[in-house]
Amino acid sequence: GQQVMQIPQYQHVQEGEDFTTYCNSSTTLSNIQWYKQRPGGHPVFLIQLVKSGEVKKQKRLTFQFGEAKKNSSLHITATQTTDVGTYFCAGPPNFGNEKLTFGTGTRLTIIP
Amino acid sequence: DGGITQSPKYLFRKEGQNVTLSCEQNLNHDAMYWYRQDPGQGLRLIYYSQIVNDFQKGDIAEGYSVSREKKESFPLTVTSAQKNPTAFYLCASSMGGASYNEQFFGPGTRLTVL
Repeated sequence: GQQVMQIPQYQHVQEGEDFTTYCNSSTTLSNIQWYKQRPGGHPVFLIQLVKSGEVKKQKRLTFQFGEAKKNSSLHITATQTTDVGTYFCAGPPNFGNEKLTFGTGTRLTIIP
Repeated sequence: DGGITQSPKYLFRKEGQNVTLSCEQNLNHDAMYWYRQDPGQGLRLIYYSQIVNDFQKGDIAEGYSVSREKKESFPLTVTSAQKNPTAFYLCASSMGGASYNEQFFGPGTRLTVL
């Protein structure tokens, strides 16, 4: 079955440093979604990417979808303490499939 | 307030007992989902439902059961057959299928089986 891996599993950064998490799927994705889960909280939707090579920005967050639609990345510029949490990517295992496979997640901690 | 509610937030049960977790949404969403999250891990899909009176198994359905008698409600029963039920359970909903629609999550229920 489909596997969605994220690296790194954990990342500790000094406040103000940049952060990047990478998402790799074993199958081609029709689209990819990103979620953020704060410690003790529930996942919250951040964004969806659909087109090959697509890049979207949300303030300090930049999301990319690979040309082959099998990988994606999330980059945070100048991290802040509010960025703490676990970031998950998620994609449907097959085109037209009505469920999502979530990645393993990257847990970000910020050193003040 | 529109959203998804799950209750209770914390639940303790003895081994061998069935337990039902509630999930209610007032977003008028057609699709609903149950996920399991273990410490330091991602979300694994247990069951999902695209429409009332219909549901499909996810990746880890063994030991769980669901019903979808109403659009707003999607309760999950953790049966005694589930070998390791202690986990954080998250319910979610989306307007349509998961492929192109964001999922809205409830606050979760943390189940501990003693």
